[in-house]
Amino acid sequence: AQSVAQPEDQVNVAEGNPLTVKCTYSVSGNPYLFWYVQYPNRGLQFLLKYITGDNLVKGSYGFEAEFNKSQTSFHLKKPSALVSDSALYFCAVRDWGTGFQKLVFGTGTRLLVSP
Amino acid sequence: EAGVTQFPSHSVIEKGQTVTLRCDPISGHDNLYWYRRVMGKEIKFLLHFVKESKQDESGMPNNRFLAERTGGTYSTLKVQPAELEDSGVYFCASSQGPPAGGTYEQYFGPGTRLTVT
Repeated sequence: AQSVAQPEDQVNVAEGNPLTVKCTYSVSGNPYLFWYVQYPNRGLQFLLKYITGDNLVKGSYGFEAEFNKSQTSFHLKKPSALVSDSALYFCAVRDWGTGFQKLVFGTGTRLLVSP
Repeated sequence: EAGVTQFPSHSVIEKGQTVTLRCDPISGHDNLYWYRRVMGKEIKFLLHFVKESKQDESGMPNNRFLAERTGGTYSTLKVQPAELEDSGVYFCASSQGPPAGGTYEQYFGPGTRLTVT
């Protein structure tokens, strides 16, 4: 079965510093990986995805993620954090088990960017 | 373009009562999904509709949960009777394209926070 792990419940970073939110995955077959963000009182918003191709994927709001097959990781990164980036971040992988598009999510990582 | 909408945003009910959650997907999206997040845990898949048909309901916890999608448009998720462990945030999502093989992103609604007391 497909799974993702987000080892950090919370990440704290100062504004202007680079940020990394970690995600590791376990899949059978090719991984389709996603990052979503949830701002307070809002739904999950799609940030970026990796399907194939370049290991560095660029997404919304200046975020990018690096796919590393040997380490089975898909860490989310941003060169310079903003206070407005503070939110809950979820990593997800597509579950191929049934042949459909359901997503398997991690437990989420709360990002707190301090001024 | 309107996004995925869910109603109500918050529901507080007593154990044993019935609650119905509604989801309106993005117009034209054939795929509709329900997910649930129990406090502090991962978001878990409940079921997937393609138009009005249930394609995958492997995540439904038990027969107290009933999902429908009338005419392939909006969907409802009924919990009857509700139990304490049903508390959580219920998300609805929709996407374009075929049920398999595509890479279409799922667009999520704001969620319904269900509290069972």
